[in-house]
Amino acid sequence: GQNIDQPTEMTATEGAIVQINCTYQTSGFNGLFWYQQHAGEAPTFLSYNVLDGLEEKGRFSSFLSRSKGYSYLLLKELQMKDSASYLCAVRESGGGFKTIFGAGTRLFVKA
Amino acid sequence: GAVVSQHPSWVICKSGTSVKIECRSLDFQATTMFWYRQFPKQSLMLMATSNEGSKATYEQGVEKDKFLINHASLTLSTLTVTSAHPEDSSFYICSARARLAANSGANVLTFGAGSRLTVL
Repeated sequence: GQNIDQPTEMTATEGAIVQINCTYQTSGFNGLFWYQQHAGEAPTFLSYNVLDGLEEKGRFSSFLSRSKGYSYLLLKELQMKDSASYLCAVRESGGGFKTIFGAGTRLFVKA
Repeated sequence: GAVVSQHPSWVICKSGTSVKIECRSLDFQATTMFWYRQFPKQSLMLMATSNEGSKATYEQGVEKDKFLINHASLTLSTLTVTSAHPEDSSFYICSARARLAANSGANVLTFGAGSRLTVL
């Protein structure tokens, strides 16, 4: 079966660092994605991992361990505008590019 | 970058009517588009994969006669909610896979802005 787990909510302070974890069990794997979604808006792409290790992109970093079925998104120097839902998504293997999303983690950044 | 345009952004209709939502890839060709549905405070649920020139592939539990998908060209897919009922009220989002970068083999999903459907 397919299962993507991530915490429902997290709260962090402006300027701090927060790590959002994601574990997955899917039928095949062809990449893990993190998307940011503000309320009432469409998701926007943040990061992509297909090999093990850390991908850094400015204030955002994402880590992947395929053997553990685990990823995390690291946000540094938090800003108020980072308050949003963060969606972990796994693309299944095969040519269909079918992507399954986790339930999302709602991050609240407080002053 | 790749842009996906979705229209309308919101629609209110009466129960029993049909509503069509369009999804266009503006600066790239999309042989495959995906339709998702999202309820408040929940994640995106994949409804179907729309393939240009062929029938859509529906996920388990999604009624294909209820949610008609047409992908007539490389830049346009449409979702028609037929005989809409209040329980069909939701946020519908389309997406298309686009290349991450010119020199990259990676494809990511680019999303339209979404269409909020309210059925009275």
